[in-house]
This record gives sequence, C-alpha cells and structure tokens, in this order.
Amino acid sequence: AQSVSQHNHHVILSEAASLELGCNYSYGGTVNLFWYVQYPGQHLQLLLKYFSGDPLVKGIKGFEAEFIKSKFSFNLRKPSVQWSDTAEYFCAVNPSGTYKYIFGTGTRLKVLA
Amino acid sequence: GAGVSQTPSNKVTEKGKYVELRCDPISGHTALYWYRQSLGQGPEFLIYFQGTGAADDSGLPNDRFFAVRPEGSVSTLKIQRTERGDSAVYLCASSEGTGDYGYTFGSGTRLTVV
Repeated sequence: AQSVSQHNHHVILSEAASLELGCNYSYGGTVNLFWYVQYPGQHLQLLLKYFSGDPLVKGIKGFEAEFIKSKFSFNLRKPSVQWSDTAEYFCAVNPSGTYKYIFGTGTRLKVLA
Repeated sequence: GAGVSQTPSNKVTEKGKYVELRCDPISGHTALYWYRQSLGQGPEFLIYFQGTGAADDSGLPNDRFFAVRPEGSVSTLKIQRTERGDSAVYLCASSEGTGDYGYTFGSGTRLTVV
C-alpha cells in the first residue's frame, strides 16, 4: 500500500537553527510531492510542491525541499528558523494522474525564541 | 469566495445522533475533497467529487457516512448514528483540477461525539 513516513514527530529548535524534516514515501510510479504547514489555530496551507524538473524546490518563507528519487524522499529544509515557524508540517504524495493525496502523520515543530 | 469555507467550525453531538457538515469551495473549483484528520494523524481521504458526482467514495469508512454535492459547488458530509470513534477534524479541500493543481483546504470542522 502507498504510504508516507515522517520520522520526526516532534522537533524543538532554537531560533536561527537549521531545520531538516524527513519525508519518505512508498510508491513506484511518478508522483507529485507537497509540504503543507498548519500554524496553530489555522488551516493547512501549501508550503511548496514538486511536479517535475529541478528536484530542488523553493517555497514560501524561505523553505525548500529536495526530491531524491532514488531514496523516495522529499525532505524539507530551512537554513535559519524563526519563532513564527512553530507549526505542524505535513508531507503529502499524489501519484501522478490521480487525485488522492496521501499524507504523513506530521511533524510538530517548536521554535524557541 | 476567497477560500474554502467550512461550517460549523466545531460540533459536539451525542452518540447516535445525525450530523451534517458543510463545505463551500472556492468559486469555480470543480474538484472537491473530504478528508478526516484524527488526533496525531495526517489527513485521510474520504471522498472526491468532480462536479456533482462522487467520483471516488472509497475512503468513506462505512455506510453511516454519505456526502452530496447537488449543484456542483457546496457539499455536505452526512454522518448517521454517530459513534465516539467518529470524533475528528473533517477537512474539505477544493482545486481547479485534480492532483497536479494542489488543494486549498478549509479550516475544518472539529466533530466531537460524546
């Protein structure tokens, strides 16, 4: 069955620290990949997406993600986090040509001021 | 509207009761999705509408769950004989097309069955 794994369930960082959140998926075909963010009390918002082309994708608020096909991974990175990045982050996989998104269980990030 | 609107934002109901959850998608979005997010989990697919028809309802957990989208815009998720295990946040999303376009999510309805 298709699945998405986010190995870090809770991450605590100090401001200005670098961030990397892992995302691995199990699906053999072509996929579209997404990172969504949910700030406290708010709805899920699209952070960035990968469809094709350059495997290094840049999103909003200084986030980026790299698609490594051989590792079935799409890790999220930010060089220097801010207190306002405190949120829950979800990786999602969409097998190309389909409409379903398969979400990971999320990673709760807390950034200490 | 500017975003996906879901009402109510919170619903507390007694076990065995019937509930309806409403989703008003972004104007012009033909695709509409319902997902359910249980505590500590990511959203899980329930049903997908393309226009007025339910193109895929394979994620509905059982026949107590039903959804409609009669005019191709607003959708209602209906749950009969609610159980405590139905407690979750029910998310609605819409998109211009499927998959590649990316979803826009609503804020969700938090359903609590007591």
